Amino acid sequence: EVQLLESGGGLVQPGGSLRLSCAASGFAFSNYAMNWVRQSPGKGLEWVSEISGSGGTIYYVDSVKGRFTISRDNSKNTLYLQMNSLRAEDTAVYYCAKDGISGRLQDHMDVWGKGTTVTVSS
Amino acid sequence: DIQLTQSPSFLSASVGDRVTITCRASQGISTYLAWYQQKPGKAPKFLIYAASTLQSGVPSRFSGSGSGTEFTLTISSLQPEDFATYYCQQLKSYPITFGGGTKVEIK
Repeated sequence: EVQLLESGGGLVQPGGSLRLSCAASGFAFSNYAMNWVRQSPGKGLEWVSEISGSGGTIYYVDSVKGRFTISRDNSKNTLYLQMNSLRAEDTAVYYCAKDGISGRLQDHMDVWGKGTTVTVSS
Repeated sequence: DIQLTQSPSFLSASVGDRVTITCRASQGISTYLAWYQQKPGKAPKFLIYAASTLQSGVPSRFSGSGSGTEFTLTISSLQPEDFATYYCQQLKSYPITFGGGTKVEIK
């Protein structure tokens, strides 16, 4: 069974840092691009970042560029999101999501984790 | 950035009703559109890709259509488990964007 399990969320002060992890299982992790998508309380979905299977191609939404870094360790089947200079508006549930087609980027997201909650507050 | 506008944002319907949700893109996106269902407190569930291709395991009462700038998600006969919020997503260009969502509630 294909599964994604996020961890690393929590309460952090404005300006602080947090690293999220997403452990993948049940599929050939290195063959698939992966995404982070977030959802602020009571709001809609916002795509945050995508990384190719090899890790060589990365995209971000403008609001996190220069503050967030997506990465992956294919030997550990794990996706990461390093979040620095956190702001109140980064408060959200963060989901990792797998692209649907092997070897492609910018694809539909067919499997999602349950999410991890990040709260930025003093 | 490509904006996606969903309508209506809220819909009240009864079991057995036919329901249609519209998603309009601010520029042409061919058929680079996906649909997701989300229930409260849960992760989104993938339903449809390439505007009209149903994901394996998704009930056939769901269907998608459209290309260019106008798309629809139709539920032919609403079931109790379909009450949820539905989002469209464009995959034509970065940043990937989602519509604002359509909440389907029980009448």
